[in-house]
Amino acid sequence: GQNIDQPTEMTATEGAIVQINCTYQTSGFNGLFWYQQHAGEAPTFLSYNVLDGLEEKGRFSSFLSRSKGYSYLLLKELQMKDSASYLCAVASGGSYIPTFGRGTSLIVHP
Amino acid sequence: GAVVSQHPSWVICKSGTSVKIECRSLDFQATTMFWYRQFPKQSLMLMATSNEGSKATYEQGVEKDKFLINHASLTLSTLTVTSAHPEDSSFYICSARVDSGNEQFFGPGTRLTVL
Repeated sequence: GQNIDQPTEMTATEGAIVQINCTYQTSGFNGLFWYQQHAGEAPTFLSYNVLDGLEEKGRFSSFLSRSKGYSYLLLKELQMKDSASYLCAVASGGSYIPTFGRGTSLIVHP
Repeated sequence: GAVVSQHPSWVICKSGTSVKIECRSLDFQATTMFWYRQFPKQSLMLMATSNEGSKATYEQGVEKDKFLINHASLTLSTLTVTSAHPEDSSFYICSARVDSGNEQFFGPGTRLTVL
């Protein structure tokens, strides 16, 4: 099985930078996904990392260290609309079906 | 990106009735679709993997006779919650994966409330 851990809740100020961490334990790692989910809506894909390093996509960046079982999602220039739950998900064991963590609820305030 | 639709968006039913939820990939073919369930403030839990033309693969603890899955075409999978009970009230989300990739595209979800 997999053990995925991320903080339950974080708060940040509009315009600031926030880093959401995710640690995992798994065998046969096939990649790590980050999804954004607004309340009452389905998740939307943000990023996929399978190799170590940082991948930047606009205001969002995702980092992976496979040896440490660690990833983070970095959000820059925060906007109010970024208030949402951010789900870390890991695919493993020869499958690309991700197992989701509990999600981190991010609250952005003025 | 690829679009996945779900119908209905929300449904309220009486205990003991059956409810069917449809999941469609609108602009791509999906050999494989996935059904998730999400309780309030919880993560998405995979219920089953739906394969076109074959039986679905259910996760441990999910009753296949209660949650019937049919994937009759490359663009449609259905989930039927049979003899629904209040504890089945949840947010049901489907996703589909483009055959050549590993990104999943999620439907908008169906909120089921069983009275």
